[in-house]
Amino acid sequence: GENVEQHPSTLSVQEGDSAVIKCTYSDSASNYFPWYKQELGKRPQLIIDIRSNVGEKKDQRIAVTLNKTAKHFSLHITETQPEDSAVYFCAASINNAGNMLTFGGGTRLMVKP
Amino acid sequence: DSGVTQTPKHLITATGQRVTLRCSPRSGDLSVYWYQQSLDQGLQFLIQYYNGEERAKGNILERFSAQQFPDLHSELNLSSLELGDSALYFCASSVESKSGTSGVVGELFFGEGSRLTVL
Repeated sequence: GENVEQHPSTLSVQEGDSAVIKCTYSDSASNYFPWYKQELGKRPQLIIDIRSNVGEKKDQRIAVTLNKTAKHFSLHITETQPEDSAVYFCAASINNAGNMLTFGGGTRLMVKP
Repeated sequence: DSGVTQTPKHLITATGQRVTLRCSPRSGDLSVYWYQQSLDQGLQFLIQYYNGEERAKGNILERFSAQQFPDLHSELNLSSLELGDSALYFCASSVESKSGTSGVVGELFFGEGSRLTVL
């Protein structure tokens, strides 16, 4: 089955700096890669996703890049703010498997004011 | 508010017992997923139902079962509970095509979760 690895497990940055979280996946059939943000004690919420027919997608301060050949994808957050502090999860699925997602282990991002 | 409702929010029970977790999906979503979040296993897919029928199974133990009713709400039944079953159980729903192969997969909306503690 699919295996998703995520690095780093913790990331501390200064407010205004950029943060990058990287994930690798094992199943070359995977073609849907969402990213979720989970604040303490809250539910995971989708922040951005990318499908395998594109290499990059941006939404304001958040961007995701995908390298299908290398089977890795990354989340980039620019101009970080304290409210970006949370646990971020990457995930992968085969599109016709719907939202049967395999999640990475999570990255705890701490943005210091 | 995601529109996905889960009850109960918290549940404390003893080993060997059985519990039922309940989920109401967002209005119009036919697909319901159950995920387990624990410290050692992370977020894991358990099972998916689409319009009352089981569509996919993940790492769900035989002691666990689920169903989706005609009104689309779903229940996750956990029996012969063990200490290791203590976790946060999330229900999630999304809009999907009937066959699941047409590529129409909507955003997954999670409920607030049911925190199960087995003592």
